[in-house]
Amino acid sequence: EAGVTQFPSHSVIEKGQTVTLRCDPISGHDNLYWYRRVMGKEIKFLLHFVKESKQDESGMPNNRFLAERTGGTYSTLKVQPAELEDSGVYFCASSPGTQSYNEQFFGPGTRLTVL
Amino acid sequence: AQTVTQSQPEMSVQEAETVTLSCTYDTSESDYYLFWYKQPPSRQMILVIRQEAYKQQNATENRFSVNFQKAAKSFSLKISDSQLGDAAMYFCAYRSLNYGGSQGNLIFGKGTKLSVKP
Repeated sequence: EAGVTQFPSHSVIEKGQTVTLRCDPISGHDNLYWYRRVMGKEIKFLLHFVKESKQDESGMPNNRFLAERTGGTYSTLKVQPAELEDSGVYFCASSPGTQSYNEQFFGPGTRLTVL
Repeated sequence: AQTVTQSQPEMSVQEAETVTLSCTYDTSESDYYLFWYKQPPSRQMILVIRQEAYKQQNATENRFSVNFQKAAKSFSLKISDSQLGDAAMYFCAYRSLNYGGSQGNLIFGKGTKLSVKP
């Protein structure tokens, strides 16, 4: 079974540019999460999809971030325009079902550097 | 709001020895889940062990075990017979318990970087 995949693995962009990160969850997983880790800080929750619907987007930092999950499969996270403080590692995770004990499976992350 | 604190940014252990990573958390909830995740260098995070707060018995997974002290809100991870492959970043995480609703997100600590010396 393929795990959670993320693309690209690294992205270096200039301040003001746009970047789109992609996450492919494990097939059949309805739940998809985005998290971010800024250097030296905690991994912070950004948002949670259940299928194609945004269940919780309370962690999205501002309206420069736009997440989509069309068709309930893969998800994209767009940052437009990127700022220096957006640098960090963006993780995607997926899980099946609705039970809280269900494990979240993480992708390898996308390291974003904004110069 | 719930918080998770890992007070040890870095730890080191000799191969075959035992090491304990500490984690404390703050919550007003009575039921929840606690997790330890491991992220090896340049690899993705994987679940090491999980504890349900309503279970008094400490979870164990082979060489990994936890010391769950609910009253003290403490959730430490013990790694016995440490191996070189245990070198990684370890994250403690909290998750609220939902009844029939959707799953909640994980709340993480800052992580502890564990080095294993041969």
